[in-house]
Amino acid sequence: NAGVTQTPKFRVLKTGQSMTLLCAQDMNHEYMYWYRQDPGMGLRLIHYSVGEGTTAKGEVPDGYNVSRLKKQNFLLGLESAAPSQTSVYFCASSYGTYNEQYFGPGTRLTVT
Amino acid sequence: GEDVEQSLFLSVREGDSSVINCTYTDSSSTYLYWYKQEPGAGLQLLTYIFSNMDMKQDQRLTVLLNKKDKHLSLRIADTQTGDSAIYFCAESMASGGSYIPTFGRGTSLIVHP
Repeated sequence: NAGVTQTPKFRVLKTGQSMTLLCAQDMNHEYMYWYRQDPGMGLRLIHYSVGEGTTAKGEVPDGYNVSRLKKQNFLLGLESAAPSQTSVYFCASSYGTYNEQYFGPGTRLTVT
Repeated sequence: GEDVEQSLFLSVREGDSSVINCTYTDSSSTYLYWYKQEPGAGLQLLTYIFSNMDMKQDQRLTVLLNKKDKHLSLRIADTQTGDSAIYFCAESMASGGSYIPTFGRGTSLIVHP
């Protein structure tokens, strides 16, 4: 049981490049989330999904897109990376809306 | 999130008690959570409390909830150097028919030997 995994662990992009971050969970959780963590800002929700095929905007969705084509995977896309998107990105999943969130180990993204 | 507020730093001596405080805004929050983040890792749930409870104790951890003041605290007894981490308070806020956790900025706990 791997829990929540994230790919890649580190990435450096140039401004304007695109990339996709992959999150996978093997706990059959309905809910999945993408957060970004910046120094002094805590965790901010980017997008979330309440089930396969559904997505919703969080607090800071601009510049990101997501897809949940399979229940176990939640993809976060950056179409045209900007230096302001330099951050550590965390994926999380939970069984239900009130249940414990399980977090992945994070992806450290630097945009130059 | 601006809706959940925490102080940013707390420094204690090993063996002392640590108290981390949090204020939240949504009076309809049903669950309130404390998560711990160790360096280079994701968050892990420490404990949670139902909104109809005043207190919850779990070994060295005591959570106190004051619903009237919307104040939540986490007390760690006999703090150890291994407790050094960032502690996040979170509340469940209604969003489009679901309840989505909203996190505070985190309190960095530094434990001195």
